Amino acid sequence: GDSVTQMEGPVTLSEEAFLTINCTYTATGYPSLFWYVQYPGEGLQLLLKATKADDKGSNKGFEATYRKETTSFHLEKGSVQVSDSAVYFCALSAGSGGGADGLTFGKGTHLIIQP
Amino acid sequence: EPEVTQTPSHQVTQMGQEVILRCVPISNHLYFYWYRQILGQKVEFLVSFYNNEISEKSEIFDDQFSVERPDGSNFTLKIRSTKLEDSAMYFCASSGTASKRYEQYFGPGTRLTVT
Repeated sequence: GDSVTQMEGPVTLSEEAFLTINCTYTATGYPSLFWYVQYPGEGLQLLLKATKADDKGSNKGFEATYRKETTSFHLEKGSVQVSDSAVYFCALSAGSGGGADGLTFGKGTHLIIQP
Repeated sequence: EPEVTQTPSHQVTQMGQEVILRCVPISNHLYFYWYRQILGQKVEFLVSFYNNEISEKSEIFDDQFSVERPDGSNFTLKIRSTKLEDSAMYFCASSGTASKRYEQYFGPGTRLTVT
């Protein structure tokens, strides 16, 4: 079945450091890929998405490129802030039908940014 | 900004009891979902709902679970006879028109504790 693997955390960085959180996936067909963020005590928020190969999703300084050849969707940010501290989830939607497809999530990566 | 809301935020119940978790999706959305996250584990898809019927369900969503959209605004998850292993955070999500059905918006979750 479909699966998402992302790097284990916690990842601890200093403010203004460069961030990469790795995500790879296994899926049949052509999934859509997502990054969600969960701040303490809150629900999951859609951060960015890409629906086809070579698409780049971006939002709030974060970006990720859908790489079909490496089945990857790594999250990057050039300069992180303390407010970016959260849990980040990589997810895919197989989109196999016209209906409401559930998302398959990775385990989440806890990001801690120190001032 | 429209958001998904869930009630209650925390529910404590005894094993064998029935619980109903409630969600109000974003008002013009058409697709509805339930997920759960057992403490320390990944977010898992339970079920999706479209056009007043279940669209997709995972193997977790057995006969003990049911969903309903009773009045055109609420979306409920019922667990008929709770088990200790049902203790988890339950997230409701919704998504909009067919072309944007992959963009799921999540509520803050209901923490269910089964004792």
